[in-house]
Amino acid sequence: QKEVEQNSGPLSVPEGAIASLNCTYSDRGSQSFFWYRQYSGKSPELIMFIYSNGDKEDGRFTAQLNKASQYVSLLIRDSQPSDSATYLCAGRRTGTASKLTFGTGTRLQVTL
Amino acid sequence: GAVVSQHPSWVICKSGTSVKIECRSLDFQATTMFWYRQFPKQSLMLMATSNEGSKATYEQGVEKDKFLINHASLTLSTLTVTSAHPEDSSFYICSARDIGVDTEAFFGQGTRLTVV
Repeated sequence: QKEVEQNSGPLSVPEGAIASLNCTYSDRGSQSFFWYRQYSGKSPELIMFIYSNGDKEDGRFTAQLNKASQYVSLLIRDSQPSDSATYLCAGRRTGTASKLTFGTGTRLQVTL
Repeated sequence: GAVVSQHPSWVICKSGTSVKIECRSLDFQATTMFWYRQFPKQSLMLMATSNEGSKATYEQGVEKDKFLINHASLTLSTLTVTSAHPEDSSFYICSARDIGVDTEAFFGQGTRLTVV
């Protein structure tokens, strides 16, 4: 079992719709979770991080964390073609030297 | 956000030669830097954790003698791919975390290495 699992997709949504990206994790020691967006040939860029159970909103993005279910999600409202990319979920234990454990990523396609 | 600069952004080298990749934190000090490798259509795989002033911690299966890491200062870590072979061709990415702050790490732009 992979430590962080994501559906590889592609997930296709029409422009203006809500895209829902999901991630599950197996390490109960993971305390913080991160969503990165990666365009083809580029390095990941941080979208959001979440530490606490519940929702965290930032503009069109909402991250949701449920530690009891070991589940993290990212909602993208009003999806735009520029949102088309691979979205990487990562978990991390506490500590400045602790490493990120990445999922394989979900490819999102926003269609016109 | 914090800026991490990686150089070069791409490099082509002959098989058997060595290549050095630099990772710099430009506006913060980074006790810890991380080196990843990413093959096409795959996720990031952590190669090693680089700690300033001490030896790097390598992930299982990563050859420490082949991938030399030096983290001599709080703003610079280098990865040297020694005796590169075509199978080492990949996208190498570094990340750095701000000293003493348990926040997310910031990624460099990545280095596309092609070994011919």
